[in-house]
Amino acid sequence: DSGVTQTPKHLITATGQRVTLRCSPRSGDLSVYWYQQSLDQGLQFLIQYYNGEERAKGNILERFSAQQFPDLHSELNLSSLELGDSALYFCASSEGTSGAARYNEQFFGPGTRLTVL
Amino acid sequence: QKEVEQDPGPLSVPEGAIVSLNCTYSNSAFQYFMWYRQYSRKGPELLMYTYSSGNKEDGRFTAQVDKSSKYISLFIRDSQPSDSATYLCAMSQGGKLIFGQGTELSVKP
Repeated sequence: DSGVTQTPKHLITATGQRVTLRCSPRSGDLSVYWYQQSLDQGLQFLIQYYNGEERAKGNILERFSAQQFPDLHSELNLSSLELGDSALYFCASSEGTSGAARYNEQFFGPGTRLTVL
Repeated sequence: QKEVEQDPGPLSVPEGAIVSLNCTYSNSAFQYFMWYRQYSRKGPELLMYTYSSGNKEDGRFTAQVDKSSKYISLFIRDSQPSDSATYLCAMSQGGKLIFGQGTELSVKP
């Protein structure tokens, strides 16, 4: 158990809908990262937040957005869903951001499996 | 060309064998290198973490980084059926991780 929690575990929805995925980082971790894992693209970085502020962005679609709240939990919002958005979505957390070596150690949650029908 | 290349396998070995997993990369700026293990439909689990070139050992696992060749390896000694999983190499760039495609490993009893 990494200490990172994600809800829900599974989500089934229809095209065009909007969903929210939730993540709670490990106790004491300030950075939260979101990744998408699909069979064809592998594990891809989406976005990072550090202590409430956006720090880095990957190939995140404009239909996707995220935020980190004062209690450090994070939410990933996916809207106007398409069949191709079906994937595993992982949240990871780390102690800090770039800099000291230990800040780069990212611990992953169990993931949310999204199925768009 | 992808920034991180990893042979997807699958790789099948008998129990007790030494397993060698490898990744190559193209960005010489990478300094932090990681290996994750992922069981089917589970979250990736951090196995090994290495900064810059050199070796790091942890129990049956040894990670090697050769920055001059842009090549990293993970060795598993005395492999066990419980080691059967997908192994992902990852490199850190400004906080985000860039992953290889993962190598699927099967250790047969």
